[in-house]
Amino acid sequence: EAGVAQSPRYKIIEKRQSVAFWCNPISGHATLYWYQQILGQGPKLLIQFQNNGVVDDSQLPKDRFSAERLKGVDSTLKIQPAKLEDSAVYLCASSLGANTEAFFGQGTRLTVV
Amino acid sequence: GNSVTQMEGPVTLSEEAFLTINCTYTATGYPSLFWYVQYPGEGLQLLLKATKADDKGSNKGFEATYRKETTSFHLEKGSVQVSDSAVYFCALRDDKIIFGKGTRLHILP
Repeated sequence: EAGVAQSPRYKIIEKRQSVAFWCNPISGHATLYWYQQILGQGPKLLIQFQNNGVVDDSQLPKDRFSAERLKGVDSTLKIQPAKLEDSAVYLCASSLGANTEAFFGQGTRLTVV
Repeated sequence: GNSVTQMEGPVTLSEEAFLTINCTYTATGYPSLFWYVQYPGEGLQLLLKATKADDKGSNKGFEATYRKETTSFHLEKGSVQVSDSAVYFCALRDDKIIFGKGTRLHILP
């Protein structure tokens, strides 16, 4: 079974530029998550989707971050404009439902210079 | 709100030593508890889980028991190997998954 796919694996941008990350969850998984993992810290939930609806985006900095999950499958996370403190690994995960095991992708490492 | 606290690292042990990584949690409900592992250059992988009090999760020689009375889920392994070197995250799931800060483990040959 294919796992959670994310791209790109690495991205370097200058501050104030825009960037987008893509996630393809495991087939049939209704729940999709985006996490931010800053170096030396645990992952922090940014947004959780159930199908194409947002369940929780309480920790998403909405002035610069946006995410969508069209058709309840793939998802994109966008940062516009980026700040230095956005440097982190962005992890996508999916699960069959809200209370089942979550599977993680390898992440996108973002460096903002 | 819900939270997870785990011991700070790095933890350095010799091969075949006994491992304990402490994890305690705060939750208003009855969460499921997890240990995830992150090997160098790789994504998070579920190591083991427990869904209710007194459940014991186990995998690859690692064990953790869901202790409701002490709100703990400590990770243990009787004899560690160099290949166990990684970052270990304790996590709980109530309405969402919340992670601890992670504990880096170094095993010396």
